Amino acid sequence: KQEVTQIPAALSVPEGENLVLNCSFTDSAIYNLQWFRQDPGKGLTSLLLIQSSQREQTSGRLNASLDKSSGRSTLYIAASQPGDSATYLCAVEDSNYQLIWGAGTKLIIKP
Amino acid sequence: DTEVTQTPKHLVMGMTNKKSLKCEQHMGHRAMYWYKQKAKKPPELMFVYSYEKLSINESVPSRFSPECPNSSLLNLHLHALQPEDSALYLCASSQSGGVGQPQHFGDGTRLSIL
Repeated sequence: KQEVTQIPAALSVPEGENLVLNCSFTDSAIYNLQWFRQDPGKGLTSLLLIQSSQREQTSGRLNASLDKSSGRSTLYIAASQPGDSATYLCAVEDSNYQLIWGAGTKLIIKP
Repeated sequence: DTEVTQTPKHLVMGMTNKKSLKCEQHMGHRAMYWYKQKAKKPPELMFVYSYEKLSINESVPSRFSPECPNSSLLNLHLHALQPEDSALYLCASSQSGGVGQPQHFGDGTRLSIL
């Protein structure tokens, strides 16, 4: 059974720092991996989707990498801003076309 | 602004009430999803509709009844809910429900059962 783990559960850093969020999964048979952002009381915003054949995707200050063989993905945020404060969730799409979710990392960027 | 619109944003209901949650998208997507999310937890899949047909029902209690009137609309009918059903209910859509298609989420309906 696929399990997705995100470490750390919470992270607080000063504004301007670069940071890395981690996501690991137990079964490498995935179709893709998505990173989402969720603001308090809101829905989820898709940030990046990496297909299983890809190694990374970039959007602005965000870069997501995928290493299927080791079951790991990272989300790199450059030059963090207070507006980046949110909960970040990763999810893998399994062979049943369903998303298996991590528990999320709550990120706080201090001004 | 989200491209998936959910109404109402907040709903408070008693355990004997009947209410409905609504979801609408105009992106031409043919797969739509209902998720339930408890505080500080990831979303849990409830139902998936693909081409207006129910394709996945994750053993959800019958007090939740989904309906897909057309390719743009998804409803969730609620009846005789329990306090533990209080949660954020999220709707999502994707192009066709196949592999590798990102899901687009609405802002959710915050449901409170008294």
